[in-house]
Amino acid sequence: DAGVTQSPTHLIKTRGQQVTLRCSPISGHKSVSWYQQVLGQGPQFIFQYYEKEERGRGNFPDRFSARQFPNYSSELNVNALLLGDSALYLCASSLIAGISYEQYFGPGTRLTVT
Amino acid sequence: DAKTTQPPSMDCAEGRAANLPCNHSTISGNEYVYWYRQIHSQGPQYIIHGLKNNETNEMASLIITEDRKSSTLILPHATLRDTAVYYCIVRALEGSARQLTFGSGTQLTVLP
Repeated sequence: DAGVTQSPTHLIKTRGQQVTLRCSPISGHKSVSWYQQVLGQGPQFIFQYYEKEERGRGNFPDRFSARQFPNYSSELNVNALLLGDSALYLCASSLIAGISYEQYFGPGTRLTVT
Repeated sequence: DAKTTQPPSMDCAEGRAANLPCNHSTISGNEYVYWYRQIHSQGPQYIIHGLKNNETNEMASLIITEDRKSSTLILPHATLRDTAVYYCIVRALEGSARQLTFGSGTQLTVLP
């Protein structure tokens, strides 16, 4: 079975631009979470979605938004990019939000803002 | 979720057991201890979790002290491929969100 997939793998954007990152969860998983990992730090939680509804939000500005589609895939959007948004963006899926023990992470999308 | 404290780095000889400590002195009764690892440039990988009993799976063993204020992840026979950052995370199953709160982790380097 395929694991969590993310696209694109790498992305270079300019300050002020907008970016959309995509994630496909493991087949059968209904919950998707997004994390940001800045170089040298652990991942930080951005959003969790379950059954197309937002179930949790981390301490990120409103420039960050996300959605989940009927097939449980998800998109993360970041508007008005700043240099500080340069990071590895990780998507994780889990079977059911709330009682699933582990989250399975994708390989991430490396975003560079110049 | 309770905070955890881990040493920033550790070395281990290949073939020997790697013992990674974690302090979580403010853990609550409904919080589990999770371990994830992140090999360079990859997404984090789930290793093991436990509440109060010791746990073992094909990857590792988790030893939790009786007072639950600390735990140790044991990789019984470390290989070079176990070189990674290991994260100890305390997480409740109840609540509105199921996010993982990562700290800085321990960089484990397995030496040949």
